[in-house]
Amino acid sequence: GENVEQHPSTLSVQEGDSAVIKCTYSDSASNYFPWYKQELGKGPQLIIDIRSNVGEKKDQRIAVTLNKTAKHFSLHITETQPEDSAVYFCAAIRQTSYDKVIFGPGTSLSVIP
Amino acid sequence: NAGVTQTPKFQVLKTGQSMTLQCAQDMNHEYMSWYRQDPGMGLRLIHYSVGAGITDQGEVPNGYNVSRSTTEDFPLRLLSAAPSQTSVYFCASSYRDAGELFFGEGSRLTVL
Repeated sequence: GENVEQHPSTLSVQEGDSAVIKCTYSDSASNYFPWYKQELGKGPQLIIDIRSNVGEKKDQRIAVTLNKTAKHFSLHITETQPEDSAVYFCAAIRQTSYDKVIFGPGTSLSVIP
Repeated sequence: NAGVTQTPKFQVLKTGQSMTLQCAQDMNHEYMSWYRQDPGMGLRLIHYSVGAGITDQGEVPNGYNVSRSTTEDFPLRLLSAAPSQTSVYFCASSYRDAGELFFGEGSRLTVL
């Protein structure tokens, strides 16, 4: 994995609104893009991932989109709920050489009831 | 299954002391890694291993040693602790090339 940028660093939304977090990567050979959610006092957990042969993947209220040409991918959370409040991390990985898994700096999402 | 188990959960050290953070996984994962997490800095990779007997450096390896004598265990050693090593440490494991990293609950280390 190579350098991954992530924006915004903090995000506050009203309950029920949508939240979008964007990541950009530098290694054009990256082919696996996971998103992790870290709740307070816990280790990160995978919530969704996408591989480079698809452009979008959905799982209930969360979705990830990938633009390989622009080298960026985004996490979309719809109908946000207070339990979505957490820190979210992205990563861009070459699965053929699964070694250094480097994460983006994280986004702290607050959902206001 | 227990997943990834880290011990201890909390530790206070004095500058210059040594200690080992333990990490064990029971999922037969080839890949294991250590991260440190500091406020505003995200998760930074310290060391990783793609199998027993194989280790390599991550982004911030200085001051830390690792070894991988078995598939299950991946201890992180601090030989001479410094206040800059105050952090929360996470161990993670995965099947190699399979994607999902499984994290432990973390070990909070304070160096005075």
